[in-house]
Amino acid sequence: EVKLVESGGGLVQPGRSLKLSCAASGFSFNDYWMGWVRQAPGKGLEWIGEINQDSSTINYTPSLKDKFTISRDNAQNTLYLQMSKLGSEDTAIYYCAREGRGYVMDAWGQGASVTVSS
Amino acid sequence: AIVLNQSPSSIIASQGEKVTITCRASSSISSNYLHWYQQKPGAFPKLVIYSTSYRASGVPSRFSGSGSGTSYSFTISRVEAEDVATYYCQQGSSNPNTFGAGTKLELK
Repeated sequence: EVKLVESGGGLVQPGRSLKLSCAASGFSFNDYWMGWVRQAPGKGLEWIGEINQDSSTINYTPSLKDKFTISRDNAQNTLYLQMSKLGSEDTAIYYCAREGRGYVMDAWGQGASVTVSS
Repeated sequence: AIVLNQSPSSIIASQGEKVTITCRASSSISSNYLHWYQQKPGAFPKLVIYSTSYRASGVPSRFSGSGSGTSYSFTISRVEAEDVATYYCQQGSSNPNTFGAGTKLELK
C-alpha cells in the first residue's frame, strides 16, 4: 500500500522557518518525482513544486521560489519542504504527493497543518 | 504559467442527475497532462481522472473525462450522495504545474 505521511507542521511565528517531512512507503521512492501542494483555509489547491528522482531537477511555482526549498533523501525514503520567512499567507495544509506519468499526483499524504501567527 | 479556468465554480445537483465541469486552459495542453481530482470535505485530494480520460484505480464508471487542446471536461453521469466534493483540474504540461480554482458539487 502506498503511504505518504507528512510531519513537522504546527504553529510558527511570522518571519521564522519551518521544515516539513514526508515519509514514503509501499513503493520504490527513488523511482518517482515527488511534489508539494498547499491549501489555505477555505481556498483551493496551490502547487508548490516538485523534485525528480535524483534531485537534479527541482521546479517551483515562481511566487514561492525564493522562500521554499524542496529536497529528498532517497536512503530514508523522505521528502522535505524547507520554508523560510513565513508570513500569515503561508498558513495552510501542506500535502506531499507522488507524481506519475504526465505529472499526475497519484498518491497524497493526509497533510500537515502550518499556522503562522504571533 | 498556464491558467486553468474551471466552470462553474459551484453546482447544486439532484441525485441521479448528470453534471459536467469544464476546464479551459490559457494555452494548449497535451491531453496526457490534464488530470482531475476529488476532494471531499476535511479530506486530502484523490485522483479521479488522469490524462484527460482514464479513470484511476477503483473509480466508478459514472466518472468520465474528455477534451483536447485548451478545452477539457469532467462528467458524472448520475450523481450519487457520496460524490459531494470539490473537483479540481490540474495540468502538468507546462512548468509550473497549476490547478483550476475548483468546482464545489452539492446535492439538492
